[in-house]
Amino acid sequence: EIVLTQSPGTLSLSPGERATLSCRASQSVSSNYLAWYQQKPGQAPRLLIYGASSRATGIPDRFSGSGSGTDFTLTISRLEPEDSAVYYCQQYGSSPLTFGGGTKVEIK
Amino acid sequence: QVQLVQSGAEVKKPGASVKVSCKGSGYTFTAYYMHWVRQAPGQGLEWMGWINPNSGGTSYAQKFQGRVTMTRDTSISTAYMELSRLRSDDTAVYYCAKEAVHADFDFWGQGTLVTVSS
Repeated sequence: EIVLTQSPGTLSLSPGERATLSCRASQSVSSNYLAWYQQKPGQAPRLLIYGASSRATGIPDRFSGSGSGTDFTLTISRLEPEDSAVYYCQQYGSSPLTFGGGTKVEIK
Repeated sequence: QVQLVQSGAEVKKPGASVKVSCKGSGYTFTAYYMHWVRQAPGQGLEWMGWINPNSGGTSYAQKFQGRVTMTRDTSISTAYMELSRLRSDDTAVYYCAKEAVHADFDFWGQGTLVTVSS
């Protein structure tokens, strides 16, 4: 089973600042099958990034993904108040599919 | 537009079973795998398994093998997840999620809260 470790646990930043979220895998993620999801309280997760770096439909270009192998990053270039949420990475290249523990982004 | 609409909240006693439904619309139901993911209160996301709505084939996470059954009714574009021998730590929001062309989860149901309590 591939274990995904996300850091930091919580990120507290001001609007307009850049957020960098990390997701580290215990073994290489097949074909970069790595996705990022945003979840706000009381809502279902929402797909942001798939294939490590491709933005999903309708996702603003301030969200970007990068990385390969075992190290992946989600960057939010200019934080907006509505970006306050928990962000999860997920690998879907091998079974069982697994999620990271999440990074909470707080907007000051 | 694609929508996944799940059944309502459930309260069950330990040892009972629960069956959650997920009705898909706005796309070809049989063309995309359906996954089930759960989230305990205040916790992260946990993948439970998938069903191929076309063939009915399934794959379950080992943790749930023997307790979970995923089925579908293509005539009404609905997938089901049944979890048996419920325990208090099965209390969670259960989500269905449609697999995208690129194999991630592009649409999610609204979630169904299952509470297991004596």
